[in-house]
Amino acid sequence: DIQMTQSPSTLSASVGDRVTITCRASQSISTWLAWYQQKPGKAPNLLIYKASSLESGVPSRFSGSGSGTEFTLTISSLQPDDFATYYCQQYNTYWTFGQGTKVEIK
Amino acid sequence: QVQLVESGGGVVQPGGSLRLSCAASGFTFGSYGMHWVRQAPGKGLEWVAFTRYDGSNKDYADSVKGRFTISRDNSKSTLYLQMTYLRTEDTALYYCAKDQVVGASTAFDIWGQGTMVTVSS
Repeated sequence: DIQMTQSPSTLSASVGDRVTITCRASQSISTWLAWYQQKPGKAPNLLIYKASSLESGVPSRFSGSGSGTEFTLTISSLQPDDFATYYCQQYNTYWTFGQGTKVEIK
Repeated sequence: QVQLVESGGGVVQPGGSLRLSCAASGFTFGSYGMHWVRQAPGKGLEWVAFTRYDGSNKDYADSVKGRFTISRDNSKSTLYLQMTYLRTEDTALYYCAKDQVVGASTAFDIWGQGTMVTVSS
C-alpha cells in the first residue's frame, strides 16, 4: 500500500502569507496526486489534480508542484476563506489520502 | 447542476447491517467510476470502495473487504454501499464521490454532503 504523509499537521498563518504544505508518498506515484480543501461540516473540494493542474473555478493563488514522491501545495497569498484543512491524495495505485494539514489563523 | 445526495445512514448495533444510497444527477452517471469515502469524527479521509462505470470492477479498502459491497444501478443513477458485520470503528460520515475523468484512475471532482453512520450498542 502507498502511504501519504503530509507536513505540517497544523500551520498557523496570517492573511496575506505565502503558505506551503508538503506531501510525501511512500513510493513513486508519478504525478497522480490531487489536493482537496475541506471546511468544517462540508465535503472536500478538489483544488489541484495531476500534481499541478488547477481545477476549474479554483482561485489562481493555489498551485501545486512535484513528481515522484514529493509534492507541494502553495497558497500564494492566504485569504480569509482559505482557513481550512487540506488533504493530498494519490491515485496511482488505488486511492490514499494524507492525514491532513489544518491551516489556522495566527 | 451536478449533484450527489447520500442517504441511509443511522445508528446500528455492532454486527448489524446498513445500506447507503447515493443519488446522482446532472451528469451521465453510467459513464463514470464512483467511490465511497468515509471520515470518522474529527479524523481524516479514508477511501472505502470503488466501482467502475459499468460495475464490472470493484475495489475495497482492506479495512472493509469482505464486509462491505459496493454496487450501482445505472438505470436509476444510484450508487449503493451494503455494509455488514459493522464494527464501532466503522462509525463515520460516509461520502460518495465521482471520478473526474472517464475511464481512468482519477481524482474525485464531485462529492455528496455525506450520511452519518454510527455503530454503537
